[in-house]
Amino acid sequence: AQSVTQPDIHITVSEGASLELRCNYSYGATPYLFWYVQSPGQGLQLLLKYFSGDTLVQGIKGFEAEFKRSQSSFNLRKPSVHWSDAAEYFCAVGPGSDMRFGAGTRLTVKP
Amino acid sequence: DTAVSQTPKYLVTQMGNDKSIKCEQNLGHDTMYWYKQDSKKFLKIMFSYNNKELIINETVPNRFSPKSPDKAHLNLHINSLELGDSAVYFCASSRGVRSYEQYFGPGTRLTVT
Repeated sequence: AQSVTQPDIHITVSEGASLELRCNYSYGATPYLFWYVQSPGQGLQLLLKYFSGDTLVQGIKGFEAEFKRSQSSFNLRKPSVHWSDAAEYFCAVGPGSDMRFGAGTRLTVKP
Repeated sequence: DTAVSQTPKYLVTQMGNDKSIKCEQNLGHDTMYWYKQDSKKFLKIMFSYNNKELIINETVPNRFSPKSPDKAHLNLHINSLELGDSAVYFCASSRGVRSYEQYFGPGTRLTVT
């Protein structure tokens, strides 16, 4: 069965600094990979997804992620973090009908 | 024109009561889901319906019963509520069962006292 590991429970970065959130997956075939963001008291919003093709995918809010099959990773990056990026970030592996989520990484942004 | 909506947003009730949470999507999607998010933010799928038919039923107590009257609605009924049922419940939908991303509702925070 597919599974996702997000090794970092909590990350703190300064506003304007770069960000990388780690995600490792386990899946028997070509994975369908997603990153979602959850702001406090809100539902989950899709940031980006990878199904096939170019391994570097661009998402909303200036985020990007790179799929590395050899490392079973799908790390999320942003070159310059804004205070509004403070939230919980979830990596997930599909297919869509049986999506499994990681435990989440809480991002705190320091002024 | 909310894509996936849930009612109520907050639900406070006592142990032993029966309650329902409603979910509606106006995206024209075929597949709908219920997730439970615990106090540590861990998200676990509970049920998945495709075209009103149950396709995933994780290990969930049979006190939880989903009902899909049509493709746009998936309600969750919970009998004999227990303290451990306190959580945030999210409804989601997707275009189909394979590969498509899911769109989430705002969640329903259930507190059982």
